[in-house]
Amino acid sequence: NAGVTQTPKFRVLKTGQSMTLLCAQDMNHEYMYWYRQDPGMGLRLIHYSVGEGTTAKGEVPDGYNVSRLKKQNFLLGLESAAPSQTSVYFCASSLGGFTDTQYFGPGTRLTVL
Amino acid sequence: GQQLNQSPQSMFIQEGEDVSMNCTSSSIFNTWLWYKQDPGEGPVLLIALYKAGELTSNGRLTAQFGITRKDSFLNISASIPSDVGIYFCAGQLHRAAGNKLTFGGGTRVLVKP
Repeated sequence: NAGVTQTPKFRVLKTGQSMTLLCAQDMNHEYMYWYRQDPGMGLRLIHYSVGEGTTAKGEVPDGYNVSRLKKQNFLLGLESAAPSQTSVYFCASSLGGFTDTQYFGPGTRLTVL
Repeated sequence: GQQLNQSPQSMFIQEGEDVSMNCTSSSIFNTWLWYKQDPGEGPVLLIALYKAGELTSNGRLTAQFGITRKDSFLNISASIPSDVGIYFCAGQLHRAAGNKLTFGGGTRVLVKP
């Protein structure tokens, strides 16, 4: 039982490049989330999903897209990376809503040059 | 948008000391959560509070939901080296499945040299 896993762990991009971050959970959770963490700002919600085939915008969705084609996977895409997207990205999942215990992955550190 | 202010931003602990941190909001919340993040890991839920005035313990951790519903505090008693990390508070305005969390900026706990 791996919990929540994220790939890759680290990535460096040049401005304008694209990439996809993969999140996988093996707990059969309905809800999945993508957050970004910047120094001194806590976690900010980018997008979330309340079930397979659904996605919704969070607090800071601009510049990102997501897809939830399978219940266990939640993908975060950056179509044209910008330096402002340099951050640590966390995926999380929960059985029910936001205040059900959210289980976080180990994070992906992304640098955009 | 809603803002959560955590204080102190950082603190040094000596083994055996009790430490305290708090979180204040300009808005009322109906749920308060406290998370801990170890270096290189994702946050882990420590305590959840659902009722104004509620005092809840989890081992050496005690958290309270302020009666004004605009604040919460977390105490750690008899601190040990593994208490080092970043502690985040999070609040939810409405206890509904689709209602998002707002995170504070974190309190970084370090060991006194």
